[in-house]
Amino acid sequence: RKEVEQDPGPFNVPEGATVAFNCTYSNSASQSFFWYRQDCRKEPKLLMSVYSSGNEDGRFTAQLNRASQYISLLIRDSKLSDSATYLCVVHAGNNRKLIWGLGTSLAVNP
Amino acid sequence: EPEVTQTPSHQVTQMGQEVILRCVPISNHLYFYWYRQILGQKVEFLVSFYNNEISEKSEIFDDQFSVERPDGSNFTLKIRSTKLEDSAMYFCASSGTGTEDLEQYFGPGTRLTVT
Repeated sequence: RKEVEQDPGPFNVPEGATVAFNCTYSNSASQSFFWYRQDCRKEPKLLMSVYSSGNEDGRFTAQLNRASQYISLLIRDSKLSDSATYLCVVHAGNNRKLIWGLGTSLAVNP
Repeated sequence: EPEVTQTPSHQVTQMGQEVILRCVPISNHLYFYWYRQILGQKVEFLVSFYNNEISEKSEIFDDQFSVERPDGSNFTLKIRSTKLEDSAMYFCASSGTGTEDLEQYFGPGTRLTVT
């Protein structure tokens, strides 16, 4: 099993749609999880941290399932500006190294 | 809003040359990182730095790489003898030091092209 695995997509959705991404991780000792967003040829930008059972920030909801070792990101009412690659990132455990998924590409169409 | 800055934005160098990539982390952060991303591939951890020493490094970070905090604000990555496969985006990041403060904030990156 890869350390962090994501469906690369692409996901093509119309404006206003709800879209969900899943991510699985292999290290059961991982404690902290993040979703970053990356636009083409730009730096990753922190979207959400997922520290416990999940959290919500406006149109974005992140969920964590420790038993199954996956996290998810739900985007409601998609906007054109949500088009980007969404990176699942897992804190490796007893250090500060972050392990990155390859990312899921989202295209929101008018 | 405080941010991480990096210079240069693009560096072109010939194989075998030394390059220094520069970063200014967020001012009250004390953990610093370098990552790289080869075009079309995932972000890869290179090194983390805390209290003026390397706290962790990856297999990629071999003897050709070094990091330094030469003064109170800059954090640099040096590649001594560049190879073609070093061509990538290099991102600097920083984070705070609290036990829950694991969120890392990234600079805009330096695109390194080795010819």
